[in-house]
Amino acid sequence: DIQMTQSPSTLSASVGDRVTITCRASQSINSWLAWYQQKPGKAPKLLIYKASTLESGVPSRFSGSGSGTDFTLTISNLQPDDFATYYCQEYHRHSQTFGQGTKLEIK
Amino acid sequence: QVQLVESGGGLVQPGGSLRLSCATSGFTFNDYYMGWIRQPPGKGLEWVSYISDTSSYTSYADSVTGRFTISRDSAKNSLYLQMNSLRAEDSAVYYCARRGYYDSSGYYTHWGQGTLVTVSS
Repeated sequence: DIQMTQSPSTLSASVGDRVTITCRASQSINSWLAWYQQKPGKAPKLLIYKASTLESGVPSRFSGSGSGTDFTLTISNLQPDDFATYYCQEYHRHSQTFGQGTKLEIK
Repeated sequence: QVQLVESGGGLVQPGGSLRLSCATSGFTFNDYYMGWIRQPPGKGLEWVSYISDTSSYTSYADSVTGRFTISRDSAKNSLYLQMNSLRAEDSAVYYCARRGYYDSSGYYTHWGQGTLVTVSS
């Protein structure tokens, strides 16, 4: 099975900052990677799919990049609404795996 | 708009069974793969299972293979998860989710609100 490792586990930042979250796959997944945002008590929300395609309605300050095994989610000009937990998910083959999550906290 | 509403969660003893349901509306159910994802309290997301649009293909996480069965009913626009031989580590919020339009779209565009399953004596 493919393992997904996210880093960091926790990230402290301020409104207006630019932050980057990394996700590494244990083997190549081409560009079959999605990113989600989850707020406490709520279902996850899809942000990005196929590594870099922004889901409809998601602000352009969110961007994704990478292919193969290394991927990044970048959030520019952090807004108060962006403080949440972020997960990556691979969908390369018939099984799917989520990263362990990155909690983005207000500094 | 797309709606996914889970039901069927609750408290069950170890070794017991539970059937989760997910009623859908707002889209053509037969056109989409569907899946279940769970989240233990205070922990991360874990993919559980998915089923193809025609029910011809299913896939399961190793942790539930042989104990859980996913199914769907196109007449009722509903998705199901039959959970048998439940263990304490199966305790989680279970989300029903719709995948992207194409078969290769293994990401989840729409999610339900979740239903809590607690396995305890």
